[in-house]
Amino acid sequence: SQQGEEDPQALSIQEGENATMNCSYKTSINNLQWYRQNSGRGLVHLILIRSNEREKHSGRLRVTLDTSKKSSSLLITASRAADTASYFCATDKGGNKLVFGAGTILRVKS
Amino acid sequence: DTGVSQNPRHKITKRGQNVTFRCDPISEHNRLYWYRQTLGQGPEFLTYFQNEAQLEKSRLLSDRFSAERPKGSFSTLEIQRTEQGDSAMYLCASSTTEFSGNTIYFGEGSWLTVV
Repeated sequence: SQQGEEDPQALSIQEGENATMNCSYKTSINNLQWYRQNSGRGLVHLILIRSNEREKHSGRLRVTLDTSKKSSSLLITASRAADTASYFCATDKGGNKLVFGAGTILRVKS
Repeated sequence: DTGVSQNPRHKITKRGQNVTFRCDPISEHNRLYWYRQTLGQGPEFLTYFQNEAQLEKSRLLSDRFSAERPKGSFSTLEIQRTEQGDSAMYLCASSTTEFSGNTIYFGEGSWLTVV
């Protein structure tokens, strides 16, 4: 079963705009990770945020985590056509695996 | 290329046939994972190994599925008597032993189409 749920399911924006994707999960976690997947390809790790962190940045990416609401958001600033992909959140509950959501499909139009 | 390697990348097979996928993890990684992903869904955990020991299996891994990692290096995932519902992408990933808080690295996946 999938722990996280991403919202929206699909997002279409113009190049240069910001894209925000949200992830909600059900049980307490050790950390939450975001991955990107280009069509038909494997997953690429983007960023990890631990349960005791509230915000993290990496280049044009900003991730927030609200453990009281069991939610996270991924912000991609100044989006580019190359950012077109599916984005997944994955939670680590302290077990030995990541549990993924169903993903958000992002399309950036040039 | 020192990433996770999977082959074959694509496999089309007739229902009832057996298929085997191979995964070569990043060389210093002790942990190896198999996930399955169907269209429009996120990856679902199947099983993981620490070295050669298979330590956890999902209920998704029916008795037609078997995974091995004989020498703690590469791994194989075999599906016997394939069914159309097995059509999916099978993803392999690896990580260091200290899983929590560390990145797991995925391969490009092996697409299976059962006709």
